Amino acid sequence: ETGVTQSPTHLIKTRGQQVTLRCSSQSGHNTVSWYQQALGQGPQFIFQYYREEENGRGNFPPRFSGLQFPNYSSELNVNALELDDSALYLCASTPGRGSLGTDTQYFGPGTRLTVL
Amino acid sequence: AQKVTQAQTEISVVEKEDVTLDCVYETRDTTYYLFWYKQPPSGELVFLIRRNSFDEQNEISGRYSWNFQKSTSSFNFTITASQVVDSAVYFCALSEGTVNQAGTALIFGKGTTLSVSS
Repeated sequence: ETGVTQSPTHLIKTRGQQVTLRCSSQSGHNTVSWYQQALGQGPQFIFQYYREEENGRGNFPPRFSGLQFPNYSSELNVNALELDDSALYLCASTPGRGSLGTDTQYFGPGTRLTVL
Repeated sequence: AQKVTQAQTEISVVEKEDVTLDCVYETRDTTYYLFWYKQPPSGELVFLIRRNSFDEQNEISGRYSWNFQKSTSSFNFTITASQVVDSAVYFCALSEGTVNQAGTALIFGKGTTLSVSS
């Protein structure tokens, strides 16, 4: 048990819709990262937040956005859903600053998003 | 650019066999961190180990052992006397030791699916 929870577990949307995925980190974990994992692939980094500010971003378009809240929860929002957005979305929390790659990222169980 | 290669897509073994999962990485940084994660069918990535680039000592934890060799840019993972519960997808990942535009992203390989039969 990592103490990282995600909701919902599964979600089905249609193309063009918007979706919000939620993550709750362990208390004291100031950094949260989001990853997209397509079927049969390794997770791909979307972005990272530290103390409610974006701390880095991968190669994802602006329609992927996020928020981090003071209570260690965070959201991933995806607008104008496309079929290729179907994937497992993983949230990971880190106990420290997350800089220098020193801190281990602990993952939640993920949200399976299907876009029809 | 950073890259992690796990050449073995799938491995099947019988219980009690030893199995080694290969991981080769590419990075230009001298400070970096390597990780192994296990992903059972439930989907959650389970952290197994983290090593930094300055520590080439091999590590053993129960039936698990890791062999880090900078000369060949490899960080291989061996399971001794495999068990059915070891069946999962295993990912090797790299994180560089400097803050860059991508923050401190983990760069994952494509994973190796291990199936252990009884």
